[in-house]
Amino acid sequence: DGGITQSPKYLFRKEGQNVTLSCEQNLNHDAMYWYRQDPGQGLRLIYYSQIVNDFQKGDIAEGYSVSREKKESFPLTVTSAQKNPTAFYLCASSLGLGSYEQYFGPGTRLTVT
Amino acid sequence: DAKTTQPPSMDCAEGRAANLPCNHSTISGNEYVYWYRQIHSQGPQYIIHGLKNNETNEMASLIITEDRKSSTLILPHATLRDTAVYYCIVRSGDDNYGQNFVFGPGTRLSVLP
Repeated sequence: DGGITQSPKYLFRKEGQNVTLSCEQNLNHDAMYWYRQDPGQGLRLIYYSQIVNDFQKGDIAEGYSVSREKKESFPLTVTSAQKNPTAFYLCASSLGLGSYEQYFGPGTRLTVT
Repeated sequence: DAKTTQPPSMDCAEGRAANLPCNHSTISGNEYVYWYRQIHSQGPQYIIHGLKNNETNEMASLIITEDRKSSTLILPHATLRDTAVYYCIVRSGDDNYGQNFVFGPGTRLSVLP
């Protein structure tokens, strides 16, 4: 089955530690995205990538980093510089940057204490 | 900033039509109206999009007013599984240099038995 996988579903870390969230897609999509969602809020764009080895900052990139070494993978690192890292993180992909449909993964709920 | 305004919540009886309004009074001529929904603790799912004509697919209908300043998403026979947050998004059209989606707080639809 084609789709987007994110792992793990739940992640717990101590404050001050970096943590990397996994996102893999087998849809052969060029574009990939990372969003953050806080309780009762909409989604905010962290980073996006139009193509391999290229990525751009979204609206709230501070404290996060990404890489796009392979078409199917777009991992997100939440660094210790991120002031409020506890949130629900969603990865998405689309055929191209302007495609009307983004396909979302199931999300990773990160809790930092 | 989101370019759309939606009511924060709505209720609908099971089996009845759910009509979700969206105001987008500053929409530009080349901007489309998109609808996504997010079931609790899952990633958002694309529903439908349109420019100026009414659109219908297997999930819903989209009615856009003639002046394009507002639209309504219609779920013709709502079921309990339609309980979700519905996002109305305005964005430029399908091309590789399109704007990113901006997911505001949306409308929380509760379908009641």
